[in-house]
Amino acid sequence: DTGVSQDPRHKITKRGQNVTFRCDPISEHNRLYWYRQTLGQGPEFLTYFQNEAQLEKSRLLSDRFSAERPKGSFSTLEIQRTEQGDSAMYLCASSPRDYGYTFGSGTRLTVV
Amino acid sequence: DQQVKQNSPSLSVQEGRISILNCDYTNSMFDYFLWYKKYPAEGPTFLISISSIKDKNEDGRFTVFLNKSAKHLSLHIVPSQPGDSAVYFCAASLYNQGGKLIFGQGTELSVKP
Repeated sequence: DTGVSQDPRHKITKRGQNVTFRCDPISEHNRLYWYRQTLGQGPEFLTYFQNEAQLEKSRLLSDRFSAERPKGSFSTLEIQRTEQGDSAMYLCASSPRDYGYTFGSGTRLTVV
Repeated sequence: DQQVKQNSPSLSVQEGRISILNCDYTNSMFDYFLWYKKYPAEGPTFLISISSIKDKNEDGRFTVFLNKSAKHLSLHIVPSQPGDSAVYFCAASLYNQGGKLIFGQGTELSVKP
């Protein structure tokens, strides 16, 4: 068990470009969550999956954001046409049930 | 609207003394509360939790108190150690919401030797 792995750790992109992040959860965890954290704030919920089904999306997740978990294992979060306001830490967590979260170390996105 | 609030952005405590971190919430339907600890460049790690049917939960040096009438919870760390220096987040969850958490803004604790 290597914990929750996120890739890349850091991403710098120009405004208007598309970016994709990957999260590999703990293998036996069927729930996977995405959160976003900006400076001075706590993590904010974006979306979550139970196996391959995306069960909830936050209003924070605009049309430019899409998340997938095609085989119920790893997940990707894509941001299209990035904006400076998208700069944040994107955190992934997995859980076998309610509340038993393990977070990854996050992907820090900087949009210039 | 900020449903979970941590009004103290920072706290400084001497090693060996008690650290008390506070958290207020507005939604009386929250049924589970958690505290997470975060070091720089790492994801949050779970520390301790409490169900809304309890008013206290203890785990070693860490105790969480819940006052439902005041919609307030606190985390006590006794004795504080320099390794406890980190950002602490409280979080709350609603029943049957798939484990989605609502976090406070965090309090940065500094424990000085």
